[in-house]
Amino acid sequence: GDSVTQMEGPVTLSEEAFLTINCTYTATGYPSLFWYVQYPGEGLQLLLKATKADDKGSNKGFEATYRKETTSFHLEKGSVQVSDSAVYFCALSRVSTGFQKLVFGTGTRLLVSP
Amino acid sequence: DAGVIQSPRHEVTEMGQEVTLRCKPISGHDYLFWYRQTMMRGLELLIYFNNNVPIDDSGMPEDRFSAKMPNASFSTLKIQPSEPRDSAVYFCASSPGQGAWEQYFGPGTRLTVT
Repeated sequence: GDSVTQMEGPVTLSEEAFLTINCTYTATGYPSLFWYVQYPGEGLQLLLKATKADDKGSNKGFEATYRKETTSFHLEKGSVQVSDSAVYFCALSRVSTGFQKLVFGTGTRLLVSP
Repeated sequence: DAGVIQSPRHEVTEMGQEVTLRCKPISGHDYLFWYRQTMMRGLELLIYFNNNVPIDDSGMPEDRFSAKMPNASFSTLKIQPSEPRDSAVYFCASSPGQGAWEQYFGPGTRLTVT
């Protein structure tokens, strides 16, 4: 079945450091890919998405490129801030017989120190 | 635009009591999802609806859990009787569908069963 694998956290960085959170997926066909962010005490928020191969999703300085050849969708940011501390979830969505569900990774906690 | 609305935000109840969680999806969204999040199991999909019809309830843990969607703007998740192992954060999410598969999450209901 479809699955998403994320790097284990926590990822601990200093402010202004470069961020990469790895995400790989297993799915048949051509899923859409998403990154969600969850701040403490809140629900998940859509951060960015890509719907086809080689698409790059971007938002708030975060980027991720849909790589079909490596089945990956790694999240990157050039310079993290303390306010980026949160849990990040990679997810895929594949429509099957007209119905759709999101398959989430286990989440990666990011801690950014001043 | 108002996002997904959930109530209550916090619920503390005693074992054996009935608990009802409520959700108002984003207007115009065809899909509604109920998730449960715990440290041990992460984010689990419980059930989802399309146009008010339950499509997949395979994630509902047992018969004590039931969900309804009487109209396009309201859904409930009921636990009867509640048990301590039901303690978790319950999220409702909605999605436009029709090719836009991202989901928008509510703030969650933190349930504590003592």
